[in-house]
Amino acid sequence: NAGVTQTPKFRVLKTGQSMTLLCAQDMNHEYMYWYRQDPGMGLRLIHYSVGEGTTAKGEVPDGYNVSRLKKQNFLLGLESAAPSQTSVYFCASSPLPGLAASSYNEQFFGPGTRLTVL
Amino acid sequence: GNSVTQMEGPVTLSEEAFLTINCTYTATGYPSLFWYVQYPGEGLQLLLKATKADDKGSNKGFEATYRKETTSFHLEKGSVQVSDSAVYFCALSGPKAAGNKLTFGGGTRVLVKP
Repeated sequence: NAGVTQTPKFRVLKTGQSMTLLCAQDMNHEYMYWYRQDPGMGLRLIHYSVGEGTTAKGEVPDGYNVSRLKKQNFLLGLESAAPSQTSVYFCASSPLPGLAASSYNEQFFGPGTRLTVL
Repeated sequence: GNSVTQMEGPVTLSEEAFLTINCTYTATGYPSLFWYVQYPGEGLQLLLKATKADDKGSNKGFEATYRKETTSFHLEKGSVQVSDSAVYFCALSGPKAAGNKLTFGGGTRVLVKP
């Protein structure tokens, strides 16, 4: 059971280039998330998905697109990279929350992708 | 909207010292509260959680109590070790119907010296 995996681990891009980050989870979780982590700002949600074929915008979605064609995979795309997108990107997944009002489930995180845009 | 405020670091301690990291939140409804820990070069791991008022979460010697009256969830450990050096994030969850999203504080870096 690998949990949540992310590829690649590191990447350097030039301004204007495009790339796709891949997140995979083997826990059969319904929900998946993409965050970016910047110094002093914690983690900010970019996009998320509540099931295969669905996506929704988070707090900072501009400049990113996502797709969830398979339940176990969640792709994050940068169409035209900018230096402001230099960050560490984390993917996470969580199971469907239980029926009780307070049964929020934890999110499980991948190891991260460090992206530098020159 | 939801927000989480935690003390800025870095916090530098000697081994066996007492650690407190303050966390306060603003939220609608009845969120669950979490502390996540990030060790160097790794992703975030859940450290502990509390799902309702007055609940105490505990794990690995860390504790935090969900205080609704003061909207706080302070993290404490009585005797830290070098291996506790990490970045700690306080977080709260949004409504299930809105995707079980988490709102994070800015993180507090803790450095424990031998």
